[in-house]
Amino acid sequence: AQSVAQPEDQVNVAEGNPLTVKCTYSVSGNPYLFWYVQYPNRGLQFLLKYITGDNLVKGSYGFEAEFNKSQTSFHLKKPSALVSDSALYFCAVRDPGGDSSYKLIFGSGTRLLVRP
Amino acid sequence: SAVISQKPSRDICQRGTSLTIQCQVDSQVTMMFWYRQQPGQSLTLIATANQGSEATYESGFVIDKFPISRPNLTFSTLTVSNMSPEDSSIYLCSVGGPGITDTQYFGPGTRLTVL
Repeated sequence: AQSVAQPEDQVNVAEGNPLTVKCTYSVSGNPYLFWYVQYPNRGLQFLLKYITGDNLVKGSYGFEAEFNKSQTSFHLKKPSALVSDSALYFCAVRDPGGDSSYKLIFGSGTRLLVRP
Repeated sequence: SAVISQKPSRDICQRGTSLTIQCQVDSQVTMMFWYRQQPGQSLTLIATANQGSEATYESGFVIDKFPISRPNLTFSTLTVSNMSPEDSSIYLCSVGGPGITDTQYFGPGTRLTVL
């Protein structure tokens, strides 16, 4: 069965410092991996995805993520955090070869708090 | 990407009543999805709505409680029936499938409070 784990409920970082939000996954085949961000009272906004190719993918707002197949991880990173990055971040996985090939499985979410 | 709107954006309802949520997309899409996000929780898929066929429901969700319509390739509705306070959640629609470059895009959500 597919699953996604976000081991940290909250990540605290000072503005200007690098940030990492962790995500590990479990799928039977080659995964499609996604990061979404949710601001208060807003829907989910797509940040970036890994489908195939270069393990380091770049997305919106200066975020990037590295796909690591051996560690089954897809951690979200940003070199220099902004206060405006404070939000709820969700990692999601899709198994394109599975029975429900377009179904997204979401992690539990990680709240990022960037201190001024 | 697709631009998705939902109506209403929020509502407060009495227990035992029903609410229909609308999802409109600015382009034709193959698949539309309905998710529930309970307070402080992650997203859980309720059902997948394909045009011209019955919706496919996930385990724990049934058609009598969450009937879905998909009359065309740009529109879908989700009804939350016979509501109880436990149905208080954010309901989000998303679109995906062939032609959407493998990414699901989400609407702004409908925040439902049941008293």
